[in-house]
Amino acid sequence: DQQVKQNSPSLSVQEGRISILNCDYTNSMFDYFLWYKKYPAEGPTFLISISSIKDKNEDGRFTVFLNKSAKHLSLHIVPSQPGDSAVYFCAASEYNFNKFYFGSGTKLNVKP
Amino acid sequence: IAGITQAPTSQILAAGRRMTLRCTQDMRHNAMYWYRQDLGLGLRLIHYSNTAGTTGKGEVPDGYSVSRANTDDFPLTLASAVPSQTSVYFCASSDSAGGEQYFGPGTRLTVT
Repeated sequence: DQQVKQNSPSLSVQEGRISILNCDYTNSMFDYFLWYKKYPAEGPTFLISISSIKDKNEDGRFTVFLNKSAKHLSLHIVPSQPGDSAVYFCAASEYNFNKFYFGSGTKLNVKP
Repeated sequence: IAGITQAPTSQILAAGRRMTLRCTQDMRHNAMYWYRQDLGLGLRLIHYSNTAGTTGKGEVPDGYSVSRANTDDFPLTLASAVPSQTSVYFCASSDSAGGEQYFGPGTRLTVT
């Protein structure tokens, strides 16, 4: 059973609007979370991370929110750009960092 | 600087054959990882290595083996390939266990 879930396989957003990608996890021991972006035929690239001691981390247009009680995190992209069109994966690990668990990904399409 | 390279880019392999996927990084990262990506399942960790000379099992290690003789190389071996090992394989590295991971371009493997 997957410990990290991304229940929306795809999302379509108009350029300039906000994109919100969601991720849920089941393991309460997870305390470090990351988002990766993946273009076709390439490996994933790191986007942003957050540790469990925070509930928000911001980097330019990208903000990650963590709700530990709900075991939920989200990635906000504002404003969305066509170049943001990609598959986004969330990932989580426990304190020992040995193993990362990835969600199944959400394909974002930003329409011009 | 190449980052992480993987070879081959793609391969068609007959069931029962032995295959080694190669992964080399030039960033002197301590930690290295092997993932497989399957549709609807995201990336799943096969094996990892926190430093040269040590390896550990990930989420789906059965049927795979790894070695870490030096810092730069982390080959993944399928001793006797089966069709369920058809997947896209990604190698990744990080400066330390738990740090952001840098991914290679992937190897697409088809076992017939």
